Amino acid sequence: DQQVKQNSPSLSVQEGRISILNCDYTNSMFDYFLWYKKYPAEGPTFLISISSIKDKNEDGRFTVFLNKSAKHLSLHIVPSQPGDSAVYFCAASPTGKLVFGKGTKLTVNP
Amino acid sequence: NAGVTQTPKFHILKIGQSMTLQCTQDMNHNYMYWYRQDPGMGLKLIYYSVGAGITDKGEVPNGYNVSRSTTEDFPLRLELAAPSQTSVYFCASSTRGQQNTGELFFGEGSRLTVL
Repeated sequence: DQQVKQNSPSLSVQEGRISILNCDYTNSMFDYFLWYKKYPAEGPTFLISISSIKDKNEDGRFTVFLNKSAKHLSLHIVPSQPGDSAVYFCAASPTGKLVFGKGTKLTVNP
Repeated sequence: NAGVTQTPKFHILKIGQSMTLQCTQDMNHNYMYWYRQDPGMGLKLIYYSVGAGITDKGEVPNGYNVSRSTTEDFPLRLELAAPSQTSVYFCASSTRGQQNTGELFFGEGSRLTVL
């Protein structure tokens, strides 16, 4: 049973436009949500996080939105750059042990 | 600053053989984790440790063993390797789980093939 779902395996956007990556979760006990970015042949790296007491967190071009009633979060990248092309994993944490989604492969075309 | 270092990066193993994946971190993190990632799938937790001498099972522990004799090292042992253990293995570390943001620092991964 998948507790963290990323229903879009891939997303393609043009450079300069907005990228929106979505994530749904089922466990209402999750209290912290994170996004990780992964390039081929590398380990995932932390991108941005949000606590369940907030509904938005922004860091430069990256913004994460949390809708607790819908059990949904999204990552917005504005403007998208070719270097953002990677696999993005949504993760949720009840106690520091993370549960990961399957990932969404983002391709930003020049 | 090396962060989390995993060895080997690649390895081919025969069915029934055993091997150990090494992981060491130099950030003095108490928490360490082993994940596996199968193609098209997310990362699944195999084992984790909250400090030296303390380990616990994750979501998919069968076929694996771990030990944590020091803060820095967290080796993962595969006993009697099976083709289902063909995967990319990631070691990660973090600060104390209850107080941190959940952010993990990952190694570059170890790609293991069992034939």
